[in-house]
Amino acid sequence: DGGITQSPKYLFRKEGQNVTLSCEQNLNHDAMYWYRQDPGQGLRLIYYSQIVNDFQKGDIAEGYSVSREKKESFPLTVTSAQKNPTAFYLCASSIVWGEGPNFGDGTRLSIL
Amino acid sequence: KNEVEQSPQNLTAQEGEFITINCSYSVGISALHWLQQHPGGGIVSLFMLSSGKKKHGRLIATINIQEKHSSLHITASHPRDSAVYICAVRYGGNQFYFGTGTSLTVIP
Repeated sequence: DGGITQSPKYLFRKEGQNVTLSCEQNLNHDAMYWYRQDPGQGLRLIYYSQIVNDFQKGDIAEGYSVSREKKESFPLTVTSAQKNPTAFYLCASSIVWGEGPNFGDGTRLSIL
Repeated sequence: KNEVEQSPQNLTAQEGEFITINCSYSVGISALHWLQQHPGGGIVSLFMLSSGKKKHGRLIATINIQEKHSSLHITASHPRDSAVYICAVRYGGNQFYFGTGTSLTVIP
């Protein structure tokens, strides 16, 4: 079945450590997104990519980095510069930028 | 400022009740989406609207462009409808802006 796979489902980070969240899609979508969800707030855009080898900062990119070396993969690295990383992270994809995205099941990141 | 407001924040209903969730936005949009987030966190798209009304099973979504308002209705609610319902709007720049969600609990 076509869809978006995020892994792991739960992730724990130690102080000063970088962690990478995986996102893979087999929908042949050009556009991919990373969103952060915090209690009481709407989803906020971290990074997006409209095509392979290209990506743009969203509203809250500080402390995060991404790569888009393959069409199906868009990993997100939460760096030690992100001082408040505890959140639920959702990856999404769409046929083109701006169309209604398909979402993965999310990764919950916590600080040890 | 691009804002999306949803009401109510939390809603508890008895099984069988008719439910309405509201979404208001601040400026003109190109499309509005209703999303459903299950307790495990995954999100599925229910509707995309740019005008009028759409129906899928027991779910009905309407949008009034002039009043910048959309509603999601659930008829004959069921415990399996318990989820967070999120309104998302797309403005001219193609980025989405999301409401904070309405948490619905349907009691048997």
